[in-house]
Amino acid sequence: RKEVEQDPGPFNVPEGATVAFNCTYSNSASQSFFWYRQDCRKEPKLLMSVYSSGNEDGRFTAQLNRASQYISLLIRDSKLSDSATYLCVVPTRGGYQKVTFGTGTKLQVIP
Amino acid sequence: GAGVSQTPSNKVTEKGKYVELRCDPISGHTALYWYRQSLGQGPEFLIYFQGTGAADDSGLPNDRFFAVRPEGSVSTLKIQRTERGDSAVYLCASSSSGGTQYFGPGTRLTVL
Repeated sequence: RKEVEQDPGPFNVPEGATVAFNCTYSNSASQSFFWYRQDCRKEPKLLMSVYSSGNEDGRFTAQLNRASQYISLLIRDSKLSDSATYLCVVPTRGGYQKVTFGTGTKLQVIP
Repeated sequence: GAGVSQTPSNKVTEKGKYVELRCDPISGHTALYWYRQSLGQGPEFLIYFQGTGAADDSGLPNDRFFAVRPEGSVSTLKIQRTERGDSAVYLCASSSSGGTQYFGPGTRLTVL
């Protein structure tokens, strides 16, 4: 299994829809996880951190399933401005303060 | 406060030339990271500095790539004898001791 795997998408959803992305990881010792958002031709920006079972911030919910080694990102009531690539980030096996990025899942919210 | 800055924003060079890419991290951040991102891919780790020393350079693809951070702040990524395959966006990030990584806007390198 790759260190981090994501479905590249694209996910095309109408405004107001709920959409969820999954990310699987191989390092069972990982303790902290992150979702970053990256707009086209821009740098990645932290969206959410996930340290235990999950985290919620407004319309965004991140959940962690340690047994199955995946994290998910749920976006409710999608807005046009949510259109971006969502990068899953996990600690690198054997790497202190080092992380591995997934390839990203592209979301396009359609009017 | 000021975020991570990178210069130049764009660099076009010819195959075989030498380039330097600069990163100015957030003030006080001890950790600095360099990544390379190709189209359709996530950022790929190159090297990580803790203070002035390279704590992990396992991501550097070959010996044409080298990075320094002589005073524990600004870092320079140096690429010798550039090849077309080096074309990518080079991203720098900084953090305070293992915390959240904050990225700069990147340098888009094009090797002709």
